[in-house]
Amino acid sequence: AQKVTQAQTEISVVEKEDVTLDCVYETRDTTYYLFWYKQPPSGELVFLIRRNSFDEQNEISGRYSWNFQKSTSSFNFTITASQVVDSAVYFCALSDYRSGGSYIPTFGRGTSLIVHP
Amino acid sequence: SQTIHQWPATLVQPVGSPLSLECTVEGTSNPNLYWYRQAAGRGLQLLFYSVGIGQISSEVPQNLSASRPQDRQFILSSKKLLLSDSGFYLCAWSVDRAARGYTFGSGTRLTVV
Repeated sequence: AQKVTQAQTEISVVEKEDVTLDCVYETRDTTYYLFWYKQPPSGELVFLIRRNSFDEQNEISGRYSWNFQKSTSSFNFTITASQVVDSAVYFCALSDYRSGGSYIPTFGRGTSLIVHP
Repeated sequence: SQTIHQWPATLVQPVGSPLSLECTVEGTSNPNLYWYRQAAGRGLQLLFYSVGIGQISSEVPQNLSASRPQDRQFILSSKKLLLSDSGFYLCAWSVDRAARGYTFGSGTRLTVV
């Protein structure tokens, strides 16, 4: 069965520090998709990135970067020079095939990031 | 552009009362639709998903049910709420069966008292 593990429950950093959020997944499928979402205090989930299992290129978007390694089944997220506005809960998710032709996402339990000024 | 609407934003209901939460999507057709619950501890639990009108898949047997009476409408219901039904309920949609991306509504915070 599919599984997503975010071992870090809470991370506390001081502004301008770099921080990496870990995500480890399990799936038997060869085709799957990985996601990161941000949940600010307002509650709504904000999409950050999507990766498919055939694309292991790392991606950088401003201060955000993602490291996808199939060999270790990991999809880690790094924030460079963190800011107070980065404080939120971050979710990693895995979407793989279910019967009926649908890809259904499974979410990790989330990592709460607190950035202190 | 596509938008997703979810209401109400907050709800306080007594134990044993019925529940109806509604989610609608605009700007697309035949979306995949999902209901998630986020209880204390922050994890997102998939409750139901639907790939078409009248097609509902349940992930977790419980006190809740879902229906999809129209293509872009997804309803979460209960006949009698339990205290354990309290939580933050999120509706989401995706554009195709491969579900390459998911867009979430703003959520409903339900407190059962």
